[in-house]
Amino acid sequence: DQQVKQNSPSLSVQEGRISILNCDYTNSMFDYFLWYKKYPAEGPTFLISISSIKDKNEDGRFTVFLNKSAKHLSLHIVPSQPGDSAVYFCAASIDNAGNMLTFGGGTRLMVKP
Amino acid sequence: DAGVIQSPRHEVTEMGQEVTLRCKPISGHNSLFWYRQTMMRGLELLIYFNNNVPIDDSGMPEDRFSAKMPNASFSTLKIQPSEPRDSAVYFCASSLGTGGWKGNEQFFGPGTRLTVL
Repeated sequence: DQQVKQNSPSLSVQEGRISILNCDYTNSMFDYFLWYKKYPAEGPTFLISISSIKDKNEDGRFTVFLNKSAKHLSLHIVPSQPGDSAVYFCAASIDNAGNMLTFGGGTRLMVKP
Repeated sequence: DAGVIQSPRHEVTEMGQEVTLRCKPISGHNSLFWYRQTMMRGLELLIYFNNNVPIDDSGMPEDRFSAKMPNASFSTLKIQPSEPRDSAVYFCASSLGTGGWKGNEQFFGPGTRLTVL
């Protein structure tokens, strides 16, 4: 039973355009959401997070949107750069310290020059 | 800071052998996490410690798996005996271990790729 799902295994975008990565969850108890980026042969690195009390959080080129009623979050990258090519994982946590993370299956983003 | 350090980076062993994976968290971090990544199950939390004490081990697959944290700068994940289905990438992560989520993001090590023949 996958509580966090990333239905698109891959996404290809042209450099300079917007990348939109999507994530759906089923557990209404999740109250903290994160995005991690992973390059090959490296561990995931934290990108951006959002608490359930917000519907948007922005950090430079990265913006995360949360729609609690739809149990859906998305990561927007604008503008996309070739260095953004990586696997992106969304994660969710029930505990308020973000310790018990449940990860989605990941989406591989390819940004073409 | 050197980040989270894991060793070995690659481990190949035969079924039935004992495997020990090692992790050194970031200095000053009070929480440590062990994850496993497989094609079938993705990235899943196995166990996490806070101040060297195991807090939740509900993700540990079976009794063949055990984890220890004897001090704030070292943790091990042991599999005994190992089986081919244990083949995966094992990640260790650490965080400040604050009471809330803000500033408490987890920093991952590079992982150990385990192959059990």
